[in-house]
Amino acid sequence: AQSVTQLDSHVSVSEGTPVLLRCNYSSSYSPSLFWYVQHPNKGLQLLLKYTSAATLVKGINGFEAEFKKSETSFHLTKPSAHMSDAAEYFCVVSDLYNNNDMRFGAGTRLTVKP
Amino acid sequence: GAGVSQSPSNKVTEKGKDVELRCDPISGHTALYWYRQSLGQGLEFLIYFQGNSAPDKSGLPSDRFSAERTGGSVSTLTIQRTQQEDSAVYLCASRPQVGVAYEQYFGPGTRLTVT
Repeated sequence: AQSVTQLDSHVSVSEGTPVLLRCNYSSSYSPSLFWYVQHPNKGLQLLLKYTSAATLVKGINGFEAEFKKSETSFHLTKPSAHMSDAAEYFCVVSDLYNNNDMRFGAGTRLTVKP
Repeated sequence: GAGVSQSPSNKVTEKGKDVELRCDPISGHTALYWYRQSLGQGLEFLIYFQGNSAPDKSGLPSDRFSAERTGGSVSTLTIQRTQQEDSAVYLCASRPQVGVAYEQYFGPGTRLTVT
């Protein structure tokens, strides 16, 4: 069965510095991968998704992620953090051969310091 | 178009009472999921509906929890004899169909507080 590990439960950066949120997955087959963001007291919003096309995926708000099969990783990055990026981020894996095929990571809380 | 809606947005109930939480998925979406999110925690899968197939109930924490989906659209999550540990945000998501390329669309959630 597929699974997702978000390597950091909490990441803190200063405004204007790069963001790196790490995600490793396991999947028996070619997966799709997603990043969602959840701002305080808000629902989850899709940031970006990888579905076997280009391995470098660009999403909303300047975020991007690179699918690396050899490393089974799908890390989320942003060149320059903004205060509004402070939120909880979830990495999700989906593969074809499970009935309930969405697996969520435990989440990474991003704090942005002024 | 309209997104996933959930009602009520907030629910306060006394321990031992039953509650019903409603989810209206995006029209035409065949897959519907319920999750629970406790304070500061990740998402806990509860139940999943796909078309006319039998639901995947593997995430329901006890037999006090049940859910149904009528006509392949609206879903209701019922919690009987609520306990304080049931306090959480209950999230619903729908998906156009099952398939790796399709993302979930989430509702705003129902915040349940059991006193």
